[in-house]
Amino acid sequence: RKEVEQDPGPFNVPEGATVAFNCTYSNSASQSFFWYRQDCRKEPKLLMSVYSSGNEDGRFTAQLNRASQYISLLIRDSKLSDSATYLCVVNRGGGYNKLIFGAGTRLAVHP
Amino acid sequence: DTGVSQNPRHKITKRGQNVTFRCDPISEHNRLYWYRQTLGQGPEFLTYFQNEAQLEKSRLLSDRFSAERPKGSFSTLEIQRTEQGDSAMYLCASSSPLSGGPTDTQYFGPGTRLTVL
Repeated sequence: RKEVEQDPGPFNVPEGATVAFNCTYSNSASQSFFWYRQDCRKEPKLLMSVYSSGNEDGRFTAQLNRASQYISLLIRDSKLSDSATYLCVVNRGGGYNKLIFGAGTRLAVHP
Repeated sequence: DTGVSQNPRHKITKRGQNVTFRCDPISEHNRLYWYRQTLGQGPEFLTYFQNEAQLEKSRLLSDRFSAERPKGSFSTLEIQRTEQGDSAMYLCASSSPLSGGPTDTQYFGPGTRLTVL
């Protein structure tokens, strides 16, 4: 079993739709959590950090449930430019900041 | 451009050859990471440097792989006797510790895409 698991998708949604991605992690010692976005053949870029209290950045909302070891990302009012792969990422901490990535969820937004 | 840079961007080599990749981190970042990404997967951690010290190595980093960061600035990743299974995107990231915090944001370079024929 992988340490970070995501539904690979693809999620095909029309512009303006709301879409939600989920992720689970197995290591309860994980200390910090992120969503990265990766465009085709490009490097991953940080989308947002994820906090237990939930956090919002414009159309994007991220949530962490430590008890269930579950992370979510909600995208409202999807744009064509949101088409990408969304990577769920955890950091075990312990001083080394090694990131553990999920395999990613692919999103395709169509007109 | 003050981001992380990597060279070359693409490398095609024949099985058995040695290859070396270079990463130049963001100038004030003292932490540097190497990851490997294969098609359809997320990046996998290979190794981590804090300044010039290599502090962690993944079991993925076989004895054919070696990484260095002389003087704590740029880093090189060398693969000896390449195999077809080494074909992947090799990503470098750098970060700087937040004051008083245990974690920090990693910024990725564009990667070096290796194809072993």
